Amino acid sequence: EDQVTQSPEALRLQEGESSSLNCSYTVSGLRGLFWYRQDPGKGPEFLFTLYSAGEEKEKERLKATLTKKESFLHITAPKPEDSATYLCAVQAQGGSNYKLTFGKGTLLTVNP
Amino acid sequence: GAGVSQSPSNKVTEKGKDVELRCDPISGHTALYWYRQSLGQGLEFLIYFQGNSAPDKSGLPSDRFSAERTGGSVSTLTIQRTQQEDSAVYLCASNAARKLYGYTFGSGTRLTVV
Repeated sequence: EDQVTQSPEALRLQEGESSSLNCSYTVSGLRGLFWYRQDPGKGPEFLFTLYSAGEEKEKERLKATLTKKESFLHITAPKPEDSATYLCAVQAQGGSNYKLTFGKGTLLTVNP
Repeated sequence: GAGVSQSPSNKVTEKGKDVELRCDPISGHTALYWYRQSLGQGLEFLIYFQGNSAPDKSGLPSDRFSAERTGGSVSTLTIQRTQQEDSAVYLCASNAARKLYGYTFGSGTRLTVV
């Protein structure tokens, strides 16, 4: 069974204090690993897809990296507007390759 | 439409009543998904539609849950005889299934069973 574990559950940062969120996964053949951002009362908003170990993607202050067992979401010099829950999900190869298995998320709070 | 639209945004219902949740996906998206997000839990897969067919209903928690999709567009998730444990946010998402990229989610329906 595919599993995704995110840590920490919650993270408080001061504005400008860089840090990383972790996503550990087990999957029977990775088709893609996804990062989403979710604001209160909203649905998840797509950020990145990573396909293979060693791949990196960047968007503004966010950079996602991937190894064979985990992914990191690095946040550089965060701002209060980066406060949200960040969700990681994996998609497996094979017959159920349309399905995403999600972690429980990391609640990020950036204080001004 | 420009995004995935869900209605109602909030629903409070009495235990034992039936509820219908609606999802209007992005135009042209052939794949549609329902997920459930309970407090403190990750998103839980419920059902997948490709066109009007549901090749995977494996995530529906019980036979009180059903879903349909018509015209390759709008989908309705129905919960019969609601129970308190059904309280959650129900999220709908869509994508063009042949492409590998993230789903686009709607804002969800927050269901509260009292």
